[in-house]
Amino acid sequence: GENVEQHPSTLSVQEGDSAVIKCTYSDSASNYFPWYKQELGKRPQLIIDIRSNVGEKKDQRIAVTLNKTAKHFSLHITETQPEDSAVYFCAADWAQKLVFGQGTRLTINP
Amino acid sequence: EADIYQTPRYLVIGTGKKITLECSQTMGHDKMYWYQQDPGMELHLIHYSYGVNSTEKGDLSSESTVSRIRTEHFPLTLESARPSHTSQYLCASSLGASGYNEQFFGPGTRLTVL
Repeated sequence: GENVEQHPSTLSVQEGDSAVIKCTYSDSASNYFPWYKQELGKRPQLIIDIRSNVGEKKDQRIAVTLNKTAKHFSLHITETQPEDSAVYFCAADWAQKLVFGQGTRLTINP
Repeated sequence: EADIYQTPRYLVIGTGKKITLECSQTMGHDKMYWYQQDPGMELHLIHYSYGVNSTEKGDLSSESTVSRIRTEHFPLTLESARPSHTSQYLCASSLGASGYNEQFFGPGTRLTVL
C-alpha cells in the first residue's frame, strides 16, 4: 500500500521567516497531494493541493512543489505569521482514500 | 449551508456502555470516512464507505462498527466502550472521483471513557 512520511515532526521559526515541511510517498500511482492545517481544537482544513500534472502551485504565502520522479512534495510558507501556528498534514490519494503523513507541529515565535 | 455535522461534540461515559457517534453531511458526497485522532496527533483511518451499503475497515484496528443506509448518514457504534477508546473521532466526506479526493472534515466528537 501507500506510505507517506512527513518531516519534521516539529518546527519552530521566527515570525517573518519561511517554513518548509517535506513529505515522501511510496506508490507512483498516487496523483493528488493535499495539505491540511489543523489549528488547536479545530478540524483539519485543506489549505492547498497539487495534482500530478503540475510541478508547483502557489496561493499567496503558501506554495507546494511536487517531484514525481523522486516521489516527494513540500509545503512552503513564506513571511510566517502567528496565525500560521498549527499542525500541518500532508496526504496522498491511494485506492480512493487519502493516506496522511504523521503531521508537523509548526510554532511561530514572535 | 453544505457541511458535515457530528453529534455529540463531547461525550463522557462509563466503561461497558454502548455508544453511537453520529455523522451527517449535506455535501452530496458519496464517500465518507471515520478517523481516530489524539489531539494534534496522527490521523488514523478506522472505517470508510464508498456509498450506500458499502463499508470497509481502515488501517487502524478498531472495535467499532459502522453502517451506511443513507448517503448522508454514517454513524459509528462502539458496543462496549473502554478507556482505550478515549480519543477524538473525526468524520469526513469526499466527492470521490479519482484525483479529486479532497476530504472535508466534521468538527469531531471528543470521547472520554471512564
